[in-house]
Amino acid sequence: KQEVTQIPAALSVPEGENLVLNCSFTDSAIYNLQWFRQDPGKGLTSLLLIQSSQREQTSGRLNASLDKSSGRSTLYIAASQPGDSATYLCAVRPWETSGSRLTFGEGTQLTVNP
Amino acid sequence: NAGVMQNPRHLVRRRGQEARLRCSPMKGHSHVYWYRQLPEEGLKFMVYLQKENIIDESGMPKERFSAEFPKEGPSILRIQQVVRGDSAAYFCASSQGSEEDTQYFGPGTRLTVL
Repeated sequence: KQEVTQIPAALSVPEGENLVLNCSFTDSAIYNLQWFRQDPGKGLTSLLLIQSSQREQTSGRLNASLDKSSGRSTLYIAASQPGDSATYLCAVRPWETSGSRLTFGEGTQLTVNP
Repeated sequence: NAGVMQNPRHLVRRRGQEARLRCSPMKGHSHVYWYRQLPEEGLKFMVYLQKENIIDESGMPKERFSAEFPKEGPSILRIQQVVRGDSAAYFCASSQGSEEDTQYFGPGTRLTVL
């Protein structure tokens, strides 16, 4: 059974700091890994999707890496801003033809202080 | 191009009543997923549907819960005889179903059972 763990559970940083969020998963047989952002009381916004054959993806100040063999992914946020404050979730999709369900971690709650 | 629509956004029910949650996928998407987020917990997969077919319902509770995605109209998640433990945020996601399918999430329905 796939389990996804995110560390730390909460993180508070001053504005402008670079930071790294960690995600680990127990079963390396994944199709892809996705990072999401969730604002309080809102839905999920997809940030980055990394296919199992890829090592990293970048979008603006965000960079996500994937090491499938060790079951780890990191989300790097450069020059953090107060608007980055949210809960960040990682999710993996299993390598099964009909298994499109995502398994989520419990998230890292990020607060960026002005 | 409207995103994934869910309604109602907030739903209050008394114990024993029925709750019906609706999800309209993004235009052109024929795959729908339902997830549940219990208070202080991560998102958990419930069910994966394509038009008129349930593909994977491994995350659905065995009793009182059902889901459908008819040929016409939105996907419906139905909870019969609700109990307090059903109080949660229910999220719907949709995808095109292609090999590199990203799941796009709706804003969620927050169910409160009194």
